[in-house]
Amino acid sequence: DVKVTQSSRYLVKRTGEKVFLECVQDMDHENMFWYRQDPGLGLRLIYFSYDVKMKEKGDIPEGYSVSREKKERFSLILESASTNQTSMYLCATQGGSGKETQYFGPGTRLLVL
Amino acid sequence: AQTVTQSQPEMSVQEAETVTLSCTYDTSESDYYLFWYKQPPSRQMILVIRQEAYKQQNATENRFSVNFQKAAKSFSLKISDSQLGDAAMYFCAYKLGNNDMRFGAGTRLTVKP
Repeated sequence: DVKVTQSSRYLVKRTGEKVFLECVQDMDHENMFWYRQDPGLGLRLIYFSYDVKMKEKGDIPEGYSVSREKKERFSLILESASTNQTSMYLCATQGGSGKETQYFGPGTRLLVL
Repeated sequence: AQTVTQSQPEMSVQEAETVTLSCTYDTSESDYYLFWYKQPPSRQMILVIRQEAYKQQNATENRFSVNFQKAAKSFSLKISDSQLGDAAMYFCAYKLGNNDMRFGAGTRLTVKP
């Protein structure tokens, strides 16, 4: 079974803080993704990575950056957290073929005060 | 950009009954993949069922089946013999043969005992 873990289930931060969300997978998948999930909007892609040190912007990259130094780990960084970044953040992984299914982590619910 | 529409924000079903969740999508492509994901309350998002667009036969997984109408760009999920554990948010998703997956806004399913 694919195992995708995220560093925190719940996180409370203050406006202006730098926030790190980490995702780790154990399936040697090439592709990793960060989504944010908001009610009524479904999941929206923030960034994805198709290889170590490679990244591509998704639909809503503003205010976020990512890092992938090792294949199994993909980090989402909020450089200066703002209240409109309060959301559920989901990490996903996918094998190399485009037809592959995406597998999700448990999510991190972030509250920015 | 491809879009996915789930027109039912909420649905309710009696235990042991059958329910159908609707999903339509917009695309000009002929080769793509469709998915239904389930997100139980406070739990991880998991894949329920997937369908390759080139396959005419509707996918089934135990009590879950789809009605894939390619010409109508419709991909509904039927849950038979509903169980309490089926209560969750259900997301329909569309993906081309790359990493770009698009999600609908979700349908919250309640199962009444």
